[in-house]
Amino acid sequence: DAKTTQPNSMESNEEEPVHLPCNHSTISGTDYIHWYRQLPSQGPEYVIHGLTSNVNNRMASLAIAEDRKSSTLILHRATLRDAAVYYCILRVGGGTSYGKLTFGQGTILTVHP
Amino acid sequence: DGGITQSPKYLFRKEGQNVTLSCEQNLNHDAMYWYRQDPGQGLRLIYYSQIVNDFQKGDIAEGYSVSREKKESFPLTVTSAQKNPTAFYLCASSAIAGSTDTQYFGPGTRLTVL
Repeated sequence: DAKTTQPNSMESNEEEPVHLPCNHSTISGTDYIHWYRQLPSQGPEYVIHGLTSNVNNRMASLAIAEDRKSSTLILHRATLRDAAVYYCILRVGGGTSYGKLTFGQGTILTVHP
Repeated sequence: DGGITQSPKYLFRKEGQNVTLSCEQNLNHDAMYWYRQDPGQGLRLIYYSQIVNDFQKGDIAEGYSVSREKKESFPLTVTSAQKNPTAFYLCASSAIAGSTDTQYFGPGTRLTVL
């Protein structure tokens, strides 16, 4: 599976935008970029996913570099409830894919009031 | 409310005992998964099932067993052969086992083996 690299931790202030980077230089043309987040002592929660184009949903935006070797998850206005571990995951886009999520260590986001 | 339930939330067992963790979903999903999480680490896949009566090993299946007799249920048994069973166990489901499909996770069971 293609690997991702994320910073171990990031900090933000409440109500400010947060940009969480992810490098995936070995991504293949059919790999989808997924983001999940995990609040303390809870199961992960889906945030957003994309293939080539930038994506927006009610939770966040995903900006994908033109060469697809990196992406950025954007939280437009961080709240205290956004404090979590954020995982950037590549999922194989074809063939015998069975939906496996390969989690790295993720980025611990701390939000200050 | 649709969702995934795991029980119990906390489980304690003595070393050498088998223990079964429950996972139930009412989302009408075909695919179900079991992950293990150790402190400060990401999740690792134990077993997955794409359809009833079928399941495959994930990355760390040794010492674990599963069954999928019903669409809504996917119990995980941690056997005495699992060398280090103390961990946080998470069950997930998705409509299909596909590359774009969202996985929905349960609240997890924290297993401690004494």
